[in-house]
Amino acid sequence: QVQLVQSGAEVKKPGASVKVSCKSSGYTFTSYYIHWVRQAPGQGLEWMGIINPSGGSTSYAQKFQGRLTMTMDTSTSTVYMELGSLRSDDTAVYYCGRSYYDSSGPDNWGQGTLVTVSS
Amino acid sequence: QSALTQPASVSGSPGLSITISCTGTSSDVGNYDLVSWYQQHPGKAPKLMIYDVTKRPSGVSNRFSGSKSGNTASLRISGLQADDEADYYCCSYTGSSTSFGGGTKLTVL
Repeated sequence: QVQLVQSGAEVKKPGASVKVSCKSSGYTFTSYYIHWVRQAPGQGLEWMGIINPSGGSTSYAQKFQGRLTMTMDTSTSTVYMELGSLRSDDTAVYYCGRSYYDSSGPDNWGQGTLVTVSS
Repeated sequence: QSALTQPASVSGSPGLSITISCTGTSSDVGNYDLVSWYQQHPGKAPKLMIYDVTKRPSGVSNRFSGSKSGNTASLRISGLQADDEADYYCCSYTGSSTSFGGGTKLTVL
């Protein structure tokens, strides 16, 4: 079955960077886009960006331009999301999700990774 | 501030029906039949309930249905059950990115 398994919770200091992984299984890795979506405590879902595992092209929400990087490793079917210059309001659960088209929302999601930014 | 507008909360009694609206613009909801809806229970990842405005993934109850008129998409849940109590989010393609609504908390009375 389709599974997206994310790395564990992180605690970071303001100004640091965090790198979260999303390992895919149960389908052809290069056939589906991977989105990253975050959810601050008690808040709604916020789309961050998308990566095409077939080639590695990316598109980021304007809000995160300059401090968000998405990469991939096809040998391990893993996508990475790195967010830099962390602030306290980056504290959130970060989710990865796959979609067949870049214009579609995710149809399967990872379990989420809590990133806490605190001094 | 979310690009797509949803009511903060809706409620309904078991067995009855509710509708959640999602209002966008002619650049997103109104321009693409690419609206999806997600159900999220507390502490859980979102679950896809509707995609491409009206389509249901395999395994999702036919009590859930989607529609669209102009710049507003809607999710209808009929025969409300206790387990339907959750947060619901709409999502639309915008031409260059993806946008979520602010979410609607459904309470089953």
